[in-house]
Amino acid sequence: GEDVEQSLFLSVREGDSSVINCTYTDSSSTYLYWYKQEPGAGLQLLTYIFSNMDMKQDQRLTVLLNKKDKHLSLRIADTQTGDSAIYFCAERGNQGGKLIFGQGTELSVKP
Amino acid sequence: DSGVTQTPKHLITATGQRVTLRCSPRSGDLSVYWYQQSLDQGLQFLIQYYNGEERAKGNILERFSAQQFPDLHSELNLSSLELGDSALYFCASSVEGGGLDNEQFFGPGTRLTVL
Repeated sequence: GEDVEQSLFLSVREGDSSVINCTYTDSSSTYLYWYKQEPGAGLQLLTYIFSNMDMKQDQRLTVLLNKKDKHLSLRIADTQTGDSAIYFCAERGNQGGKLIFGQGTELSVKP
Repeated sequence: DSGVTQTPKHLITATGQRVTLRCSPRSGDLSVYWYQQSLDQGLQFLIQYYNGEERAKGNILERFSAQQFPDLHSELNLSSLELGDSALYFCASSVEGGGLDNEQFFGPGTRLTVL
């Protein structure tokens, strides 16, 4: 089946690195995504990784994919208070283009 | 601004009623997706349309229905509303219907409150 799991909360200090983890079950997933949701707002695509890649870096964001363990992580370097939000991991479902989302990790950045 | 618009922004109604949520995709996008975000169920895929045809179906209740019109806008109809239908309903759009690189752009959502 299709299932995505994330831890619910993460608290870090401003300037530290944040690492948000995610596990998924569908080994046929071709793309895995990270979305950000700020309070009262919609979802914003942060980055994605294709399943044949191990790592993708985009400015302060680094995505690591361990396909064997079906584990995905998002590292945010030099975390700022503006990074406080809920971060969703998602995998592409096996039907059409639907996305299967995790529960979301609430990142709290303390000054 | 993702380019996806949803109306209304907020909707308050009573149990047993029927409501219609509207979504306009980004210009040029052929696919529209509906998602429901609630505290207990999280963010769940409901249904996808591609160029007017249903492409994929998720955990959508029989009381809910959707359609995509020739101008590509979409409507989600929710009927016989229950308290548990209170949620944030997101629409997303993408160019393709499920190709490899199928980035979805999300609208701001419609917050439905059923009293």
